[in-house]
Amino acid sequence: EAQVTQNPRYLITVTGKKLTVTCSQNMNHEYMSWYRQDPGLGLRQIYYSMNVEVTDKGDVPEGYKVSRKEKRNFPLILESPSPNQTSLYFCASSLYPSGTPGQETQYFGPGTRLLVL
Amino acid sequence: AQSVSQHNHHVILSEAASLELGCNYSYGGTVNLFWYVQYPGQHLQLLLKYFSGDPLVKGIKGFEAEFIKSKFSFNLRKPSVQWSDTAEYFCAAQGSSASKIIFGSGTRLSIRP
Repeated sequence: EAQVTQNPRYLITVTGKKLTVTCSQNMNHEYMSWYRQDPGLGLRQIYYSMNVEVTDKGDVPEGYKVSRKEKRNFPLILESPSPNQTSLYFCASSLYPSGTPGQETQYFGPGTRLLVL
Repeated sequence: AQSVSQHNHHVILSEAASLELGCNYSYGGTVNLFWYVQYPGQHLQLLLKYFSGDPLVKGIKGFEAEFIKSKFSFNLRKPSVQWSDTAEYFCAAQGSSASKIIFGSGTRLSIRP
């Protein structure tokens, strides 16, 4: 079954304690992306990756890091989490960078709900 | 600056009522447009998309949207809603050569049985 998986699904942590949220897709997609969803703000893109070892900042990259060492995985790293990073995080992937007709549909993961105390 | 606006934050309708959710975008050049739906506790799913061609786009579950270039709008419509349409709906836009997608703030739709 084609899917995007995220782990953990729920996480409570304390300020300053490094954490990683994993994202994996089994569709051999080139493009992967991380979003955060906050009430009244919709989804905002944190980072995206066009392919292995190619990443770029989205709209709200501060406080986050990503890596793309393999095509299927795109972990999101919070080196020193702060309470304002409490949010719902979604990973997404698509076959080609969005904008290529017919190949643009993004598949979203189930979300990771993060609470930073 | 690029932006997507959804002015209705929460819409409450009765079953069988008609639905129209507004979406306006601000983008220079060619734009791709999307509507996503997020059912309670679930991830986002694509409802429909517009890239070019017929400005009236039909999606899944009886939804459609019309791209009106002169109004910079891409409103979502459904002639008769069902209780199962209760969800949050997000409009999104993207420049044709960019990989960054910008989402609107979402519209929560509640359907009274």
